[in-house]
This record gives sequence, C-alpha cells and structure tokens, in this order.
Amino acid sequence: DAMVIQNPRYQVTQFGKPVTLSCSQTLNHNVMYWYQQKSSQAPKLLFHYYDKDFNNEADTPDNFQSRRPNTSFCFLDIRSPGLGDAAMYLCATSRFISGGSEDTQYFGPGTRLTVL
Amino acid sequence: AQKITQTQPGMFVQEKEAVTLDCTYDTSDPSYGLFWYKQPSSGEMIFLIYQGSYDQQNATEGRYSLNFQKARKSANLVISASQLGDSAMYFCAMRTLPEAGGTSYGKLTFGQGTILTVHP
Repeated sequence: DAMVIQNPRYQVTQFGKPVTLSCSQTLNHNVMYWYQQKSSQAPKLLFHYYDKDFNNEADTPDNFQSRRPNTSFCFLDIRSPGLGDAAMYLCATSRFISGGSEDTQYFGPGTRLTVL
Repeated sequence: AQKITQTQPGMFVQEKEAVTLDCTYDTSDPSYGLFWYKQPSSGEMIFLIYQGSYDQQNATEGRYSLNFQKARKSANLVISASQLGDSAMYFCAMRTLPEAGGTSYGKLTFGQGTILTVHP
C-alpha cells in the first residue's frame, strides 16, 4: 500500500544533542510537510517542500532545518534540541496541481521526540 | 487571514448513536478546501473527508458526512452509528491557496480540535 513512513516512531535525545527524523513516501507526491504538535494542540507547520523548492514558515526557529534529497525522502534536523522541542513531529505529503482543487495531505504515524 | 474555530473541546456520545462535531471557518478566498482528520491516541493523523468550496453536494465517506453550509461558513462533521474506535481527537482544517507571488502549496490551517469519547 502507498503510504507515508516515519522513522523512528520514538526518539529520545539529550539536551543540545543533534537529532534527525526521517520521512519517506511511496505516494510520489510533490509536496512534503513537517509539522510540530505539542500535547493537546493543533499541528504547527514548520516548513514544506514543493519538489526541491523549500518554504520556511516565518516563525520556525533556526534550530530546525530540513533536507529533501529526492522525491521520496525528507529529513528534519534539530541542531540543538531544547526541552521545549519535545513534541510529536508529523510528516505529511500531498500532490499539488496548479489550478487543481483537491490536494489532500496524508500524514505519517509521527515521531514522538523526548528531550532529556 | 484564514481561521478555523472548533467550539467543542470535548464531546460524548453513546455507542451506535450519531454525533455532530462543529467547525466554522473564516476566509476571504472564494476557493478553498475543508478537511476533517481523526487523531487517535497513537498520534497518526487520519484523513476522513474533504469538501471543496464549489462542491454542490455535501461530502460523504461511509459513516462520515460533512454538513457544509457555505453562507454560514460552517463545515460540521457528522459521524453516524458511533463505534468505540471513533474515540479520538478530531481536527477540522482549511486549505489556503498560494498567495499572489507566494509559494504556499496547500498549507492547512487547523482548528483546536474536539476530543470525542464514545461510551459503550
């Protein structure tokens, strides 16, 4: 089945120790998104890629970086995790067609990050 | 600016009964899309149903239907014959169009969510 895969599902890191979360998709979608979701809150968009075109949200901290080496993979790098970065990180994909109407986002299962 | 409002922090329903989760939205764009997602305690966001602003009929997907009232800017989710597995957080979201000269591809604005609990 076509899907969005996130690894690992649970990640524990130490304060200040860089961590990388990965997302892969078999949907061949051209847009990939990274969201941060804290407990009992709505997901917050960090950035997204349209093909290789990177789009950063204005309020995304510099501590968060992303790479998309090819259509299928996208990585979230947290350079120096703080306690406030503990959250669920959700990857999503969609197929954007210029002039089209429906571009449903499909989400992966998420990576729950703990910062000690 | 787009805004989604879900006024029900929590809802309770008896198994096998129907339940309506409220969602209102605000946008000045004539073309937009509305989505509902389910998020169980495991964390995965599961797509349920989509309604386009120009769709003439209300969307339905199995036990899910969307009561779309464009003039009132509401897009309520109706779940019929509730099941215990329906207990989860439910998010209403709106797709925003790319801004003129901008590069916003299909960004979603989410509401704050409604926690649904289904009682046996």
